[in-house]
Amino acid sequence: EIVLTQSPGTLSLSPGERATLSCRASQSVSSRYLAWYQQKPGQAPRLLIYGASSRATGIPDRFSGSGSGTDFTLTISRLEPEDFAVYYCQQYGSSPWTFGQGTKVEIK
Amino acid sequence: EVQLVQSGAEVKKPGESLKISCKGSGYSFSTYWIGWVRQMPGKGLEWMGIIYPSDSDTRYSPSFQGQVTISADKSISTAYLQWSSLKASDTAMYYCARGGSYFQHWGQGTLVTVSS
Repeated sequence: EIVLTQSPGTLSLSPGERATLSCRASQSVSSRYLAWYQQKPGQAPRLLIYGASSRATGIPDRFSGSGSGTDFTLTISRLEPEDFAVYYCQQYGSSPWTFGQGTKVEIK
Repeated sequence: EVQLVQSGAEVKKPGESLKISCKGSGYSFSTYWIGWVRQMPGKGLEWMGIIYPSDSDTRYSPSFQGQVTISADKSISTAYLQWSSLKASDTAMYYCARGGSYFQHWGQGTLVTVSS
């Protein structure tokens, strides 16, 4: 199974700053089948990005995804107060689908 | 509007059985995969498996194969996750979500607590 490793574990930033989150796969993710989710405390995850770079419906354009092969990135161009949360990547190119362990973006 | 509504929180003893549910509405339930995701307390997301309600084609993560059963009743637009003998380590939040690849719509979660 493909293991996804997210880094850093925690990112401490201020509102307005740029956040760059990494997701590295143990083997190549076919056809860029990678998604990103945001989860806030006490809530279900929310889909942000699919296909490595396509924004889901209603997701602001400050969220962008990039990458291919084994290295993927989620970028939040300017952090808004509501963006402080935990972010997970997920691959769906090779069964079983798997999630990364998450990156927490916290207020500095 | 797509909605997935899960059954309520459960408190069970080790060895007991349990079946939790996820009812879909606002879309053609039979023609979209439904998946289950586990989140243990304070931990990350774990992909458990998916089912296609139209023909009950089911795929499991090896980590959960044999540990749980995923099923669906398309006549009432409901998917299920069940255990025959719960363990304390099954204590977690369980989410259902729509999608055979990425999950675009999520249920609110069902908290399962297993304790003697």
